[in-house]
Amino acid sequence: DQQVKQNSPSLSVQEGRISILNCDYTNSMFDYFLWYKKYPAEGPTFLISISSIKDKNEDGRFTVFLNKSAKHLSLHIVPSQPGDSAVYFCAADTGTASKLTFGTGTRLQVTL
Amino acid sequence: DVKVTQSSRYLVKRTGEKVFLECVQDMDHENMFWYRQDPGLGLRLIYFSYDVKMKEKGDIPEGYSVSREKKERFSLILESTSTNQTSMYLCASRSPGQNTEAFFGQGTRLTVV
Repeated sequence: DQQVKQNSPSLSVQEGRISILNCDYTNSMFDYFLWYKKYPAEGPTFLISISSIKDKNEDGRFTVFLNKSAKHLSLHIVPSQPGDSAVYFCAADTGTASKLTFGTGTRLQVTL
Repeated sequence: DVKVTQSSRYLVKRTGEKVFLECVQDMDHENMFWYRQDPGLGLRLIYFSYDVKMKEKGDIPEGYSVSREKKERFSLILESTSTNQTSMYLCASRSPGQNTEAFFGQGTRLTVV
């Protein structure tokens, strides 16, 4: 049973435009959410996170929004750059379990 | 600069062979994890450990075992490889407590033929 879902396997965005990546979860015990970026043949790298006490967290070009009632979060990248082309994974945990549950990933391609 | 280092980037093994995947972290983290990444399935947790000699099964432990004899080292063992274990294997470590990120190694691409 997939507790963290990324329903869009791929997304293509023009350079300079906004990229919006979505993530849904089913476990209401999740209270900390992270986004990771992964290039081919490399390990995932941490991008940004949000605690359930917030509904928005911003770091430079990256903003994560959390809607707890809808069990939905999104990652906004503005403006998108070609170097952002990668697979993005959403992850969640309950704060005490320490193990992260990941989504299936969204491949973002930023075109010139 | 924090680091999680996996012993191999690429491995090719024959069906039935035994494989050790080793992972070392230099951040003094209690928690360590092994995931595998497959297309369309994301990252799935195989095993994790929250202390030396402690281990917990993740979501897909069948066909795998682990060893944690020292805090900095977490090994994944495939006793008898099969072709469905062809995958990207990712080790991670994480500080315990709330609201922390996990740090990943560079991954090991294992091909079983």
